[in-house]
Amino acid sequence: GAVVSQHPSRVICKSGTSVKIECRSLDFQATTMFWYRQFPKKSLMLMATSNEGSKATYEQGVEKDKFLINHASLTLSTLTVTSAHPEDSSFYICSARGGDGDTEAFFGQGTRLTVV
Amino acid sequence: GQNIDQPTEMTATEGAIVQINCTYQTSGFNGLFWYQQHAGEAPTFLSYNVLDGLEEKGRFSSFLSRSKGYSYLLLKELQMKDSASYLCAVLDSNYQLIWGAGTKLIIKP
Repeated sequence: GAVVSQHPSRVICKSGTSVKIECRSLDFQATTMFWYRQFPKKSLMLMATSNEGSKATYEQGVEKDKFLINHASLTLSTLTVTSAHPEDSSFYICSARGGDGDTEAFFGQGTRLTVV
Repeated sequence: GQNIDQPTEMTATEGAIVQINCTYQTSGFNGLFWYQQHAGEAPTFLSYNVLDGLEEKGRFSSFLSRSKGYSYLLLKELQMKDSASYLCAVLDSNYQLIWGAGTKLIIKP
């Protein structure tokens, strides 16, 4: 299967700072990237969907000014958690899907964010 | 609304067989996925069904009935490493993935 690399895998930051998470498709062009958040023992919660070169579409209840998503190229999308607070601590996962009718989305390894 | 139902938790014995069911009600259907997720890790792909029937892949098989809005994941010859959460997800008419809450599978020796 295709490879999606997510970095960093773990990050600890101070409250009030910003954290950037990168998601790269290594061997295919990702037309669409998805960002998820997962709480302990819960399923994935879709935060936003981004298509290359256009603004991300955020799900209801997700603050677009707090969770900045950039999908500047077909191989890279970034999620920036701005002015992080302890309640933003979570497991963030990206997935990427190619174009031309591709149905399968490939997941990154996930990022464990802890805000102290 | 869109809804995916699967049991919260199941327990099985090493070497046995277990079937994890998933029922769905979604706006359109473009396929159903099963993913395995170990604690603290991202999901990994197990199977994709878009036509009715059984797809077998080693110890894992996945079944789909579109008319019944039903799928199951069958795991044979269970191993301790199969202890994980199993997520059912449906691709809706907009090609968005709708996720179930996951089934935590506990394997006992």
